[in-house]
Amino acid sequence: EDQVTQSPEALRLQEGESSSLNCSYTVSGLRGLFWYRQDPGKGPEFLFTLYSAGEEKEKERLKATLTKKESFLHITAPKPEDSATYLCAVQSMEYGNKLVFGAGTILRVKS
Amino acid sequence: GAVVSQHPSWVICKSGTSVKIECRSLDFQATTMFWYRQFPKQSLMLMATSNEGSKATYEQGVEKDKFLINHASLTLSTLTVTSAHPEDSSFYICSAFLYLAGITDTQYFGPGTRLTVL
Repeated sequence: EDQVTQSPEALRLQEGESSSLNCSYTVSGLRGLFWYRQDPGKGPEFLFTLYSAGEEKEKERLKATLTKKESFLHITAPKPEDSATYLCAVQSMEYGNKLVFGAGTILRVKS
Repeated sequence: GAVVSQHPSWVICKSGTSVKIECRSLDFQATTMFWYRQFPKQSLMLMATSNEGSKATYEQGVEKDKFLINHASLTLSTLTVTSAHPEDSSFYICSAFLYLAGITDTQYFGPGTRLTVL
C-alpha cells in the first residue's frame, strides 16, 4: 500500500529563516510526486511535479527535490505570505491517476 | 491556465434534503475528475473517481447511493449529497486531471465547497 509521511507536522519560522519540509514515501512504482499549497478554506494549489530521483524544480522561494525515498521542499528566505499548509502526494503505477496524500506540514512565517 | 471552479462555494441545508455541487474545468477538458472530502485539520480523503461517460468508481467505505456522481461532459462533474445529515457536513473539493503526453499529468483542484447540514 502506498504511504506518504510528512514532517514536521508544523513549522514556525521567522521571516528570512530558510528551512526544509520533508516528504517520505513508499510506493509500488512511482509515477510522480506532487507538492501542493493549501490556504485555510481553499482548495490545494499546484506547485510542482517530480518524476525521477535527482530531479529538482524551483519557483520563486521554493525548491523541490526528489530521491528514491523522499522529497524535500526547501523554502529560502520565507515571507509571511508563504504561510500555508504544504501537501505532498504520490501517484503510483498501481493506482494510476489517483493521488495519495500526506497529512501536510503547517508552515507559519512571522515577520 | 488549468483553472477548476466549484459551485456553490458554501451551502447550508436542512437535514433530509439533497445538495448538488458542480465542478468545472474552465480552460481544459478532463476525462477524469476526482472528489475529495476534507475534515478540519486533516488531509484530503479521496471519495470517488469520476470518468466522463461512465460510472464513477467509489473508494472503500463511501456510500454510492448517498454520494451520487455524474460526469456528463468533459468539463463538468457533479456530486449530489442525497438525504444529507449533519454528519455529512464537511469541506468537499474536486479536482480535474490534466494529461498532456510528455508534458503533464496533474490534478488541478477547485476552491472547495463548504457544506453545513442543520
